[in-house]
Amino acid sequence: KNEVEQSPQNLTAQEGEFITINCSYSVGISALHWLQQHPGGGIVSLFMLSSGKKKHGRLIATINIQEKHSSLHITASHPRDSAVYICAVKSGGSQGNLIFGKGTKLSVKP
Amino acid sequence: GEEVAQTPKHLVRGEGQKAKLYCAPIKGHSYVFWYQQVLKNEFKFLISFQNENVFDETGMPKERFSAKCLPNSPCSLEIQATKLEDSAVYFCASSQSSANGYTFGSGTRLTVV
Repeated sequence: KNEVEQSPQNLTAQEGEFITINCSYSVGISALHWLQQHPGGGIVSLFMLSSGKKKHGRLIATINIQEKHSSLHITASHPRDSAVYICAVKSGGSQGNLIFGKGTKLSVKP
Repeated sequence: GEEVAQTPKHLVRGEGQKAKLYCAPIKGHSYVFWYQQVLKNEFKFLISFQNENVFDETGMPKERFSAKCLPNSPCSLEIQATKLEDSAVYFCASSQSSANGYTFGSGTRLTVV
């Protein structure tokens, strides 16, 4: 079993829909990251969180430390949101390396 | 600069040849991480540095892989005697401190033929 599990693996949505991507992890962590990888391959860090909730534009990330679960929400989705969204947890102390989930491939249709 | 600069963007090597990848972290970032992305979404941690010191090298295949971060030079990842299975995108990321997130480079795509 992977230490970081994401669901769904693939997600197709219509423009404007509300999207939720889930991440569960089984290890102790100091922080959780949500990353976005575009088809060109570049990786953008969206959020780093260790508790509660963060919001940036149409993106919202939440984490429940007790349940070892995080969600990434996208409101009013747009075709430009199409990308792979990756959950990664920071283990082994404050400067530990990241353990990555396998990603969720999101495709938003116009 | 404000970006993590990785060079080259693409690298093609014949099996058995040496490959050397470079990463210039953001100025002021003390931590550098190397990750290998094989297939589409499988990331593997290789090694991390705190300044020029190896912080964690538990992911490095030591017999052929080596890495350095020397003062006033880009960090480097070197693969001796490349194998077909080394074909992957190699990402470098830097971080200022534990309170900050990571900034990723755009990656180097290594193809071993």
